[in-house]
Amino acid sequence: RKEVEQDPGPFNVPEGATVAFNCTYSNSASQSFFWYRQDCRKEPKLLMSVYSSGNEDGRFTAQLNRASQYISLLIRDSKLSDSATYLCVVNRGFKTIFGAGTRLFVKA
Amino acid sequence: DTGVSQDPRHKITKRGQNVTFRCDPISEHNRLYWYRQTLGQGPEFLTYFQNEAQLEKSRLLSDRFSAERPKGSFSTLEIQRTEQGDSAMYLCASSSTGTAGRVYEQYFGPGTRLTVT
Repeated sequence: RKEVEQDPGPFNVPEGATVAFNCTYSNSASQSFFWYRQDCRKEPKLLMSVYSSGNEDGRFTAQLNRASQYISLLIRDSKLSDSATYLCVVNRGFKTIFGAGTRLFVKA
Repeated sequence: DTGVSQDPRHKITKRGQNVTFRCDPISEHNRLYWYRQTLGQGPEFLTYFQNEAQLEKSRLLSDRFSAERPKGSFSTLEIQRTEQGDSAMYLCASSSTGTAGRVYEQYFGPGTRLTVT
């Protein structure tokens, strides 16, 4: 079993839709949590950090449930430019563990 | 350009040859990471440096792999006796260290794509 697991998708949604991605992590010693975005043939870039209190950045909302070891990302009012792979990321000590990513396609 | 740079961008080598990749982090960043990414997977952690000290190594980093950051600035990743399974994108990232409790973003370079024939 992988330490960070995500639904690989792909998610195919129309513009304007709301889409939610889930991620689970297996090591309770994990300390900090992030969502990164990776466009095709590009390097990953930080989308947002994830806190237990939940955090929102425009159309994006991230949530962490430490008891269930679960992380979520909600995208509202999807844009064509949101099409990408979304990577769930967990830090444990000096290690950074990436999930395999969830692919999103937003269609006009 | 103040971003993370990697050299070369592409490398084709024959099985059994040695290869070396270079990463130049953002100048004020003291943390440096190496990852390997294959198609359809997320980046896999290989190793972490804080300044010149290598503080963490993945079990993925077999004895054929070695990484250095001699002066706490640029880093090199060497793969000896390459195998076809080493074919992947090798990504470098850097980040800064600041006040406790703050989360610091990792900035990635464009990667070096290795093909072992």
